[in-house]
Amino acid sequence: QVQLVQSGSELKKPGASVKVSCKASGYSFSTHAMNWVRQVPGQGLEWMGWINTNTGNPTYARGFTGRFVFSLDTSVSTAYLQITSLKAEDTAVYYCARGGGDGYTSDYWGQGTLVTVSS
Amino acid sequence: DIVMTQSPDSLAVSLGERATINCKSSQSVLYTSNNQNYLGWYQQKPGQPPKLLIYWASTRESGVPDRFSGSGSVTDFTLTISSLQAEDVAVYYCQQYFSSTRTFGQGTRVEIK
Repeated sequence: QVQLVQSGSELKKPGASVKVSCKASGYSFSTHAMNWVRQVPGQGLEWMGWINTNTGNPTYARGFTGRFVFSLDTSVSTAYLQITSLKAEDTAVYYCARGGGDGYTSDYWGQGTLVTVSS
Repeated sequence: DIVMTQSPDSLAVSLGERATINCKSSQSVLYTSNNQNYLGWYQQKPGQPPKLLIYWASTRESGVPDRFSGSGSVTDFTLTISSLQAEDVAVYYCQQYFSSTRTFGQGTRVEIK
């Protein structure tokens, strides 16, 4: 069965970096895109962008350029989200989500990774 | 960016009754070359990741109960739960994927009356 398992919660200080992992299993990793979605506690969903798991080409939504980097390690079927120069407002749950058969929606989701930025 | 506006922000419906959630996009999400509306619906229960319910505005994802249905076209869309069950208590989001930035609506909370 398809599973996306994300790394555990992180507590970071402002200015630090964090790298969230998303390990996929149960399907051929390079046949489905990987989306990233942010959810600030108690708030709605924000689509951050996606990465083409075949070419490694990332696409970032407006507001998620510069400090946010999507990457892959196809040898271990894992996608990564790195955030640099962390700010308090980056405190959120970050989800990876597999691109659906239509190529656009997200049909399987990771459990989410809470990143807390606090001094 | 395309702005997605859902209404209402929350609603309370009796068990077995119909729940209707609206989603309006700031511009058309209908791709005329394939006549598809680039819109999906998700359900998020407390403490869980979202779950895909509907794509192409009206196509139900595999395994989704048929009490969930999507309708609408161009800029106005609706998610209907025909007979609300206790397990349907959740926040529901629409998302457009017509533009390169795939924006979500703000969410609609559905509760039991």
